[in-house]
Amino acid sequence: DTGVSQNPRHKITKRGQNVTFRCDPISEHNRLYWYRQTLGQGPEFLTYFQNEAQLEKSRLLSDRFSAERPKGSFSTLEIQRTEQGDSAMYLCASSLKDRETNYGYTFGSGTRLTVV
Amino acid sequence: AQSVSQHNHHVILSEAASLELGCNYSYGGTVNLFWYVQYPGQHLQLLLKYFSGDPLVKGIKGFEAEFIKSKFSFNLRKPSVQWSDTAEYFCAVNPLTTDSWGKLQFGAGTQVVVTP
Repeated sequence: DTGVSQNPRHKITKRGQNVTFRCDPISEHNRLYWYRQTLGQGPEFLTYFQNEAQLEKSRLLSDRFSAERPKGSFSTLEIQRTEQGDSAMYLCASSLKDRETNYGYTFGSGTRLTVV
Repeated sequence: AQSVSQHNHHVILSEAASLELGCNYSYGGTVNLFWYVQYPGQHLQLLLKYFSGDPLVKGIKGFEAEFIKSKFSFNLRKPSVQWSDTAEYFCAVNPLTTDSWGKLQFGAGTQVVVTP
């Protein structure tokens, strides 16, 4: 499968624990995005990378959230000291900048986080 | 605040009926426009996109959308729906400004249920 892969698919954690999600983009894509989606809402932008550089972070991304994309390949999103309000679907998408305007973004299936 | 509005949260219709989903955005400059679909249990998939040129764009599965610049609208249509069109539909806008290039702003989504 050459799509965007996210792991794990589901994560249940206790409040206060740290969690880390992984995203493997399409290999030739140089841009990687993280979005968060809660019930009844569309995806909300969190952050994005071009290669290994994190170019923008949303105000939604509190200091408990950190994202990395070492070597410009896969990316991780870590949430420290999780809160119940962090429960959501976390989506990853990737795109190729030079061709972005023609092909849009490819989304992964997401990681559903439940904080209990 | 800049936003993307989808007119209906839920739509129920019978097979063979026509579908039109409204989308309005509030960005004043040049934008790229998208419609994504999310079938139950699946990831977001691109239905169609508009970047420039003919404001009537055709996408996959018989969908089309019309960009009306003066109305800041990008409505999605399908002349005759099938049961398999049951899904959630998201309108998304990419404002082409220096600080947001590449970032998608989504509407809240419209849940469409097609009854046999």
